[in-house]
Amino acid sequence: GAVVSQHPSRVICKSGTSVKIECRSLDFQATTMFWYRQFPKQSLMLMATSNEGSKATYEQGVEKDKFLINHASLTLSTLTVTSAHPEDSSFYICSVQRGNTEAFFGQGTRLTVV
Amino acid sequence: SQQGEEDPQALSIQEGENATMNCSYKTSINNLQWYRQNSGRGLVHLILIRSNEREKHSGRLRVTLDTSKKSSSLLITASRAADTASYFCATASNNNDMRFGAGTRLTVKP
Repeated sequence: GAVVSQHPSRVICKSGTSVKIECRSLDFQATTMFWYRQFPKQSLMLMATSNEGSKATYEQGVEKDKFLINHASLTLSTLTVTSAHPEDSSFYICSVQRGNTEAFFGQGTRLTVV
Repeated sequence: SQQGEEDPQALSIQEGENATMNCSYKTSINNLQWYRQNSGRGLVHLILIRSNEREKHSGRLRVTLDTSKKSSSLLITASRAADTASYFCATASNNNDMRFGAGTRLTVKP
């Protein structure tokens, strides 16, 4: 069964609105979760590391005020794309990893900003 | 940022042929993982190889790891049309974040 559940799978929003994406670890408590973004025909780019109970760590070039991450519990991390614009349209995907084992990915969220 | 490069960027073969994809990375790693992604969909985990391992097999998949050269290869034997997808390598370091290569788009023609 799924280890990571991501919701919604698809969302279309108007430019200027905010969108929240949820990532749930179903199988174990995850103190750390990772958020990635993938543009069409490109690879996955790590956006940020979500840390339970503390601030997220953002990769260089990722605006922390635009991509708000909240990791309020050991099983849930949320990514909010604030004031979304068409250039934010992308495939967003989260993951969790337990020790030196495979990473488990959510199903991904396809965001389209119109 | 991405970890490294994969080659080739695109590979087109006939069904039944073998497909080899290569991945290079830059930093020290705990493990390296290979994933498949069908167009517009999520990732499917294929195989994980740890830094102290040199080769692993899983069905028609064979993965090698050369930490001295910081490179890995994925071999798919007896390819099928259903193997058509993008393949990514990803490395995990001490803090567990995964860094992905650019990916190889494999097309297997029936």
